[in-house]
Amino acid sequence: DGGITQSPKYLFRKEGQNVTLSCEQNLNHDAMYWYRQDPGQGLRLIYYSQIVNDFQKGDIAEGYSVSREKKESFPLTVTSAQKNPTAFYLCASSSGRAYTGELFFGEGSRLTVL
Amino acid sequence: RKEVEQDPGPFNVPEGATVAFNCTYSNSASQSFFWYRQDCRKEPKLLMSVYSSGNEDGRFTAQLNRASQYISLLIRDSKLSDSATYLCVVDGGATNKLIFGTGTLLAVQP
Repeated sequence: DGGITQSPKYLFRKEGQNVTLSCEQNLNHDAMYWYRQDPGQGLRLIYYSQIVNDFQKGDIAEGYSVSREKKESFPLTVTSAQKNPTAFYLCASSSGRAYTGELFFGEGSRLTVL
Repeated sequence: RKEVEQDPGPFNVPEGATVAFNCTYSNSASQSFFWYRQDCRKEPKLLMSVYSSGNEDGRFTAQLNRASQYISLLIRDSKLSDSATYLCVVDGGATNKLIFGTGTLLAVQP
C-alpha cells in the first residue's frame, strides 16, 4: 500500500539533545512538507521541498534542519536551538504544488522534551 | 488578523442534526480551498475541496464566497462518526504553501 511512514511515533528527548524524525513516502510524490501542531493552534509549516536536493524554509524553521537526498525521504532534525520542541510533528507529501491538490499526511511523531 | 480563522467550538449537536462551520481567510489572492478532517491525536485527512460553484459529497456540502472571503461546510444528518476536528485550509496566494486554520471541534451526541 502506498503511503507515508513516520518514525518514531513517540519520542522523548532530554534538553540539549538533537533528534531526527524520519519521513518516508512511496507515493512517488515530488513535494514533501513538515508541519508542527500545538494544542489550540493550526498546523505550522517548518520546511518544504519541491524536488530532490532542494528545500525551503517555512514559517517556523528556526531550530530545525532538513535534507532531501532522495525523493522518498525527507528527515527532520530538531536541534537543541529549538526553544519549545515538544509538539506533534506531521510529515506530508503532494504530487504537485500544495495548492493544487491533496496533501497526504503520515501518522505523526509526538516529541516530548523532558 | 489571522490568515485563516475558524470558530474553535466545540459544537455539541445531537445525532441527526445539521451543523454548519464557517471559515474566513485574509488573502484575496488565494485560489484553492479545502476542508480537512482530523480525528483526535491522528493525522489530518482531506474531506473535500471547495470549488467556486460549491460542491456536495453525500451529507457534506462546501461553499465558497470569494467576495466575503469565507468558506463554509454543512453537515446534514450528523452521525456519531462525524465527531472530529474540521480544519479549514487555504492556499497562501503566490506561495506554494497551505495555511491551516486552528480547526473546529464537532462532538455529535447520541
